Amino acid sequence: AAGVIQSPRHLIKEKRETATLKCYPIPRHDTVYWYQQGPGQDPQFLISFYEKMQSDKGSIPDRFSAQQFSDYHSELNMSSLELGDSALYFCASSSTASLVVTEAFFGQGTRLTVV
Amino acid sequence: AQKITQTQPGMFVQEKEAVTLDCTYDTSDPSYGLFWYKQPSSGEMIFLIYQGSYDQQNATEGRYSLNFQKARKSANLVISASQLGDSAMYFCAMSLMDSSYKLIFGSGTRLLVRP
Repeated sequence: AAGVIQSPRHLIKEKRETATLKCYPIPRHDTVYWYQQGPGQDPQFLISFYEKMQSDKGSIPDRFSAQQFSDYHSELNMSSLELGDSALYFCASSSTASLVVTEAFFGQGTRLTVV
Repeated sequence: AQKITQTQPGMFVQEKEAVTLDCTYDTSDPSYGLFWYKQPSSGEMIFLIYQGSYDQQNATEGRYSLNFQKARKSANLVISASQLGDSAMYFCAMSLMDSSYKLIFGSGTRLLVRP
């Protein structure tokens, strides 16, 4: 079965550089979520999209932006990178068609290291 | 405010024995979902099991079962017949039906299965 695909798997950037993370949700899933997991931390919600519109926003820095495209893939753009942005970034997708979300599948994550 | 609490930072279990990982939650919303995820050292977030707030029966998925006690607001994960491959970090999470269904995670429990 198709899963959530994230790219790249690993990324090394220098401070003040820009990074773009990509996510391809499970086909027919209408909602995409981005989470940030710092070292030794639990995942923290950043932002979500439902049918290509932003549906919710968490503790996402202003330096970060995201969007969902017509083919439902999503990109997380991170500018002016700081050392503290080093983390594992997850994309997850789910279907809310039945108004009950019983599954939320995660991609394998992108490990971003800022040096 | 919604919150997930996992009070066991780490646990040991002998191979082939059962283990219970604790999770309590706090929400005033009547509609919510509870999830358990497994995160091996490789980093991916693997969906294990789901329990809806209106589900009358405890959820089961293979060797995983969820001991749902609504009055106590607990959703403990029971792993039967532990295997060495079960060694990982386990996260309990909650989603609310009146928002974007984003997940709020607990701090996790690291399980180590001894041979």
